[in-house]
Amino acid sequence: AQSVTQLDSQVPVFEEAPVELRCNYSSSVSVYLFWYVQYPNQGLQLLLKYLSGSTLVKGINGFEAEFNKSQTSFHLRKPSVHISDTAEYFCAVSDPWNTDKLIFGTGTRLQVFP
Amino acid sequence: DSGVTQTPKHLITATGQRVTLRCSPRSGDLSVYWYQQSLDQGLQFLIQYYNGEERAKGNILERFSAQQFPDLHSELNLSSLELGDSALYFCASSPQAGRGSYNEQFFGPGTRLTVL
Repeated sequence: AQSVTQLDSQVPVFEEAPVELRCNYSSSVSVYLFWYVQYPNQGLQLLLKYLSGSTLVKGINGFEAEFNKSQTSFHLRKPSVHISDTAEYFCAVSDPWNTDKLIFGTGTRLQVFP
Repeated sequence: DSGVTQTPKHLITATGQRVTLRCSPRSGDLSVYWYQQSLDQGLQFLIQYYNGEERAKGNILERFSAQQFPDLHSELNLSSLELGDSALYFCASSPQAGRGSYNEQFFGPGTRLTVL
């Protein structure tokens, strides 16, 4: 069965500093990979996705992620964070037998301090 | 705003009761998904409907059921509620459904259910 591990439950960082949120997945077959963001009292918003092709994926709000098949990782990065990036970030993988079914990690709370 | 609406925003009820959560998908979307976000289980896929028919099931309890109506809105029914059912319930929609192809899901703001 597929699973997603987000290694950090919380990541504190100062404004304008770089950040990396880590995500590892387990799957024996090809899957789609996603990062979603959840701002307080809101639903999930898709940040970026990896379907195939280039392993470096660029998303909205200056975020990017790199798919590493050998390490089964899909880490999210931003070179310079803003206060407004404070939110919960979820990594997800698609079920290979039903790509509409998303399996989520436990989330990482990014807290950006001034 | 994703275009997916959910009502009510908040719901407080007692153990043993039954509630219904409603979701209206984006205009033109045929597929609806339900997810549960709780402190102990995280964010979990419950069920998917496509054009009125059940498409996929996840970790949905037998006390829970869902349906999608001809106008494509969906309802999630939760019965014999327990304290552990307290959670945020999200609905999402996508234009199509298809195994092996990508269908972007757009999430609603959620319904927060509190069982006392």
